[in-house]
Order: sequence, then structure tokens, then C-alpha cells
Amino acid sequence: EPEVTQTPSHQVTQMGQEVILRCVPISNHLYFYWYRQILGQKVEFLVSFYNNEISEKSEIFDDQFSVERPDGSNFTLKIRSTKLEDSAMYFCASSSPFDNNEQFFGPGTRLTVL
Amino acid sequence: QKEVEQNSGPLSVPEGAIASLNCTYSDRGSQSFFWYRQYSGKSPELIMFIYSNGDKEDGRFTAQLNKASQYVSLLIRDSQPSDSATYLCAGFLGTSYGKLTFGQGTILTVHP
Repeated sequence: EPEVTQTPSHQVTQMGQEVILRCVPISNHLYFYWYRQILGQKVEFLVSFYNNEISEKSEIFDDQFSVERPDGSNFTLKIRSTKLEDSAMYFCASSSPFDNNEQFFGPGTRLTVL
Repeated sequence: QKEVEQNSGPLSVPEGAIASLNCTYSDRGSQSFFWYRQYSGKSPELIMFIYSNGDKEDGRFTAQLNKASQYVSLLIRDSQPSDSATYLCAGFLGTSYGKLTFGQGTILTVHP
């Protein structure tokens, strides 16, 4: 069964450093998303991406964040200058508009900012 | 602020019983709702979605949507210890058709 994959599973970084989180969405999906979940809190939407453009973004997704689809398979989230409060699980998801936009989540990257 | 609200629980049911999980949402114009299961330390796993008023059944799971009352529920029949997890209600609120707004989740424990 096709699935969303994410790398790395765990990233530790120093405050102020740049990180890139990587995702490979399900191959025939057209919509891609990033969510985050701070420990013990709700899953929060960050951004949606379609046709090489951001479709929607949340207030969390400020100028420190960017997304890119550098090739036909990868989808990345970059955080330019990490803060302590960026420590969270980051989930990538993808969906097809032909399947009610059901979103399937990857296993997540745990980001720890020290 | 568009919200999805869930009782965080924990909800404890004996094995074989029906577990009932509930969710309310703030925006009357909201269209589609999804139930996810999340085991500790893992990612959300899609169980089912519903967009029409009424019931939708899939195996041991039944989702119910009442748009007039802005209420979504999930029934799990013949609950098993392996169903013990956090259940997340999420929806496309308002006119959004991509941004999922999640509730805080209900912790379910099924005891043998």
C-alpha cells in the first residue's frame, strides 16, 4: 500500500540553525501539507501546496518557514532560523482531489531545538 | 476562530463494548469531517471521513454527522484492547478544502 515517507525521523539542532525536513508524498497525490504537533497539544496546520504554489498557510507559517517541491517526488519544509518553540513533531501529508481530499500522514520528524 | 472541540477523556470501556466518541465544531458552513487514530508517538492514521448528514459505516466503525447540531461522532463496536489510542476529530471548516482543523483528541482505553 502506498505511503508517505519522511526523513529524518529525528533531527536535533541548535537554536538559530537552519533545518530541512523531507517528505515523499504518495505518488499520484497532488496536494501536499505540513502539520506540526507540539508534545501534548493539538495537531496544527502549517501549509498546503498545490501545483507548485502555496494554497493556504496558517499564522504559524511565518517568514522563517518555506516549502519547496525540488523535484517530482520530494516535498520539503525549511525552517531558516530555528527557535526553541519550534521543537515539535512535524508531519507531512498528501491527498488526491479524487478521493475526497482524504489526507494521509507520514510517520513524522521529531525536531528538537536546543 | 474556527474550532473543533473534543472531550479529552480518558474514556475507558471494557473489551467488546461500544465506544462512543464525540466532537463539535464551530462553523455551520463546514463540509467534511475525518476521524483519525493516533497511537502514542505515532502519526495520525485515517479511519474514515463523512460529509453527509446521517451515518456512515465501515466495519466496526460508524461515523455520524449532524450538521444542524454541528456534531460529529464515532462509534466503535466490539472494542478491542488494540483500539486503545487517541482519536482525533478533524474537519475542513468554513470554505477551506485543504486545511484540516483538529480537535485535541479523546484518549480511549479498552480494558480486557
